[in-house]
Amino acid sequence: NAGVMQNPRHLVRRRGQEARLRCSPMKGHSHVYWYRQLPEEGLKFMVYLQKENIIDESGMPKERFSAEFPKEGPSILRIQQVVRGDSAAYFCASSLTSGGREQYFGPGTRLTVT
Amino acid sequence: TQLLEQSPQFLSIQEGENLTVYCNSSSVFSSLQWYRQEPGEGPVLLVTVVTGGEVKKLKRLTFQFGDARKDSSLHITAAQPGDTGLYLCAGDWHGNKLVFGAGTILRVKS
Repeated sequence: NAGVMQNPRHLVRRRGQEARLRCSPMKGHSHVYWYRQLPEEGLKFMVYLQKENIIDESGMPKERFSAEFPKEGPSILRIQQVVRGDSAAYFCASSLTSGGREQYFGPGTRLTVT
Repeated sequence: TQLLEQSPQFLSIQEGENLTVYCNSSSVFSSLQWYRQEPGEGPVLLVTVVTGGEVKKLKRLTFQFGDARKDSSLHITAAQPGDTGLYLCAGDWHGNKLVFGAGTILRVKS
């Protein structure tokens, strides 16, 4: 049974380009969460999605960041016009039920903005 | 301000020693998770504690949730080099997200 899958594992973008990060949740999981881990900082919540719905985006920066979890296909975290401060590890987690607990994490995407 | 304070930040011990990592908050959590993260990888879920006073054991690891559900501890007995890693506690915050502590970096020397 495959765990949470993320791709790409490493992504290099120049300032001003767009970054698209993909996450496929564990089989049977319909709740997806995105977290960001900045260098020397802990994991910070960004957004919580269910299929076709954004439930909580209180941790998302107001501009340039968006997330979706379509009916078919993976969840996408999109960062437009990337800046150096966006360089971080981005983790996706999924859970079987709502409520925040028992979240299983993917291996992460390491974004480097040059 | 960290909602969850973890201590110590760093711990370097010899193989065979025991250790305890603490996770404290002034807030009440409906559940608390412990994760272990290796460099370059995502956090791996070790345990979830839900009930105040709950104790769970996972081989040489013992997890306890405080009676008031504001704090937790992780105790490792007879640590081994394979226990080396970053240990994270995370509280279930308002049912939608996990709030993480800053983590404890554990190094077990052989």
